[in-house]
Amino acid sequence: GESVGLHLPTLSVQEGDNSIINCAYSNSASDYFIWYKQESGKGPQFIIDIRSNMDKRQGQRVTVLLNKTVKHLSLQIAATQPGDSAVYFCAEILSGGYNKLIFGAGTRLAVHP
Amino acid sequence: NAGVTQTPKFRVLKTGQSMTLLCAQDMNHEYMYWYRQDPGMGLRLIHYSVGEGTTAKGEVPDGYNVSRLKKQNFLLGLESAAPSQTSVYFCASIGQGNQPQHFGDGTRLSIL
Repeated sequence: GESVGLHLPTLSVQEGDNSIINCAYSNSASDYFIWYKQESGKGPQFIIDIRSNMDKRQGQRVTVLLNKTVKHLSLQIAATQPGDSAVYFCAEILSGGYNKLIFGAGTRLAVHP
Repeated sequence: NAGVTQTPKFRVLKTGQSMTLLCAQDMNHEYMYWYRQDPGMGLRLIHYSVGEGTTAKGEVPDGYNVSRLKKQNFLLGLESAAPSQTSVYFCASIGQGNQPQHFGDGTRLSIL
């Protein structure tokens, strides 16, 4: 079926290192992808998005890469900080699907001092 | 600027009881969504609405009903709660087009 999944359930990094969180998607009809951050007890918070006509987009300390050939999405966080510790979800939206998000299971990022 | 507000934040129910969860948004958004999140999993879509007076089923609609009588409010109802509906429920909204959804902070529901 159509799904979005993540390669790694947990990721531990040292403060100051760069983090890379990966995501695979299976539906080639998806045309919009979003990364969300979820802290304990909170709702998902938008981090960065990318449309299918792009392969890279940069924000503040974050970069999203989209490889449509292998249906792969990644989130890179530069100079990871303790405040980055959270669960990260990728989500895809099918074109014409009323913005219904299909979420992956999530990756927990733990930042150690 | 409140954004998306969910009430209540916590609730414990007994099996068979009914319950309504309220989602309110103050951004004049057209689209609203209800998701559930189970431990260690991503969010799954229950129902959604593309405008006032309209609702549609999502991925896991069984056991739930919704209503969108006012544009700013989206209600999720459990007519006869079951332990399998123990979860964290999130509401989200969006204006139009491909934009990131804005989420509330969730309602934690336990059914005994």
